[in-house]
Amino acid sequence: DSGVTQTPKHLITATGQRVTLRCSPRSGDLSVYWYQQSLDQGLQFLIQYYNGEERAKGNILERFSAQQFPDLHSELNLSSLELGDSALYFCASSVQGAGSEQYFGPGTRLTVT
Amino acid sequence: GNSVTQMEGPVTLSEEAFLTINCTYTATGYPSLFWYVQYPGEGLQLLLKATKADDKGSNKGFEATYRKETTSFHLEKGSVQVSDSAVYFCALMPYNFNKFYFGSGTKLNVKP
Repeated sequence: DSGVTQTPKHLITATGQRVTLRCSPRSGDLSVYWYQQSLDQGLQFLIQYYNGEERAKGNILERFSAQQFPDLHSELNLSSLELGDSALYFCASSVQGAGSEQYFGPGTRLTVT
Repeated sequence: GNSVTQMEGPVTLSEEAFLTINCTYTATGYPSLFWYVQYPGEGLQLLLKATKADDKGSNKGFEATYRKETTSFHLEKGSVQVSDSAVYFCALMPYNFNKFYFGSGTKLNVKP
């Protein structure tokens, strides 16, 4: 158990809908990262927050957004969903910056039908 | 730019065989290097890491040495077990920057 929790575990929704994925980092970790894992694209970094502020951005679509709240939990919002958004979404956390290993949550499996 | 290239899988071995999974990288500066493992239905777990050239990371019988001259971080294990069956990801984190660059992953199947 990494100490990172993600809810829900599974999510099935229709195209055009909007969903919110939630992540709670390990106790004491200030950084939260979001990744998308799909069969065709592999594991892709989406976005990072550090202590409430956006720190780095990866291959995140404009239809996706995220935020980190004062209690350090984070939410990833996915809107106008398309079939291709079906994937595993992982959250990871770390204590701080460069060189720190990241601890991954169990993931949320999103299926768009 | 920064990127990681891993050998394609799946790799199928018999129990107690020797394992090598190749990983090479391209990076600006001096990155930290990592191996993560993903067991079926689970998230990624850190397996080992190395933060500077010639460092050797090791854990659970797995080893990898940070080779700057060959820009490589190959994963090795002397004797694999069925329980090692998983997907292995090589990753780099550029110096002073939080973002991970992951390889495509290599699936390992170990047969009894």
